[in-house]
Amino acid sequence: DVKVTQSSRYLVKRTGEKVFLECVQDMDHENMFWYRQDPGLGLRLIYFSYDVKMKEKGDIPEGYSVSREKKERFSLILESASTNQTSMYLCASSSRQGYSNQPQHFGDGTRLSIL
Amino acid sequence: AQTVTQSQPEMSVQEAETVTLSCTYDTSESNYYLFWYKQPPSRQMILVIRQEAYKQQNATENRFSVNFQKAAKSFSLKISDSQLGDTAMYFCAFMKQTSYDKVIFGPGTSLSVIP
Repeated sequence: DVKVTQSSRYLVKRTGEKVFLECVQDMDHENMFWYRQDPGLGLRLIYFSYDVKMKEKGDIPEGYSVSREKKERFSLILESASTNQTSMYLCASSSRQGYSNQPQHFGDGTRLSIL
Repeated sequence: AQTVTQSQPEMSVQEAETVTLSCTYDTSESNYYLFWYKQPPSRQMILVIRQEAYKQQNATENRFSVNFQKAAKSFSLKISDSQLGDTAMYFCAFMKQTSYDKVIFGPGTSLSVIP
């Protein structure tokens, strides 16, 4: 089974802090994604990466950055945390076969609170 | 741009009964994928069922089946013989049939199975 591991289930940080969320997948997937999940809004894509050192902005990239130095690891960075970034963060990965992406596999999520 | 709509924020069903969750989407693409994902309380999001737009036959996975109406851009999920473990958030999702592209999620439907 595909395993997507997020470094923390719960995290509490203070406004202005630089926050790192880590995600590791063990299936050699090309694609990795970061979402935030808020009630009534579903999942909104922050950033995604389809290869090492490659990244693409999603729908809500403001206030975030990402890093993918190795294929299995995709990090989300909150440069200066603010209270409106309190949310559930989900990491996902998927493989690419030919010209098609396969369904995404998700981690358990990190519930981040910014005080 | 593609959009996914789930018009039922919350639903409930008696154990052993059948329930249908609605999903509509908007796209000008002719080739794409549709998914239903399930997120149990405090647990990992998992793929329930997948439909390729070019296939006329509705996908089925055990107690889960879909009613895919391409012309109407409708993709509903039917859960038969509902079980307590079906209690979860259900997300409808759309993905174009090209690589380097993202999945668009609906806002979700919270389903409660009542004993």
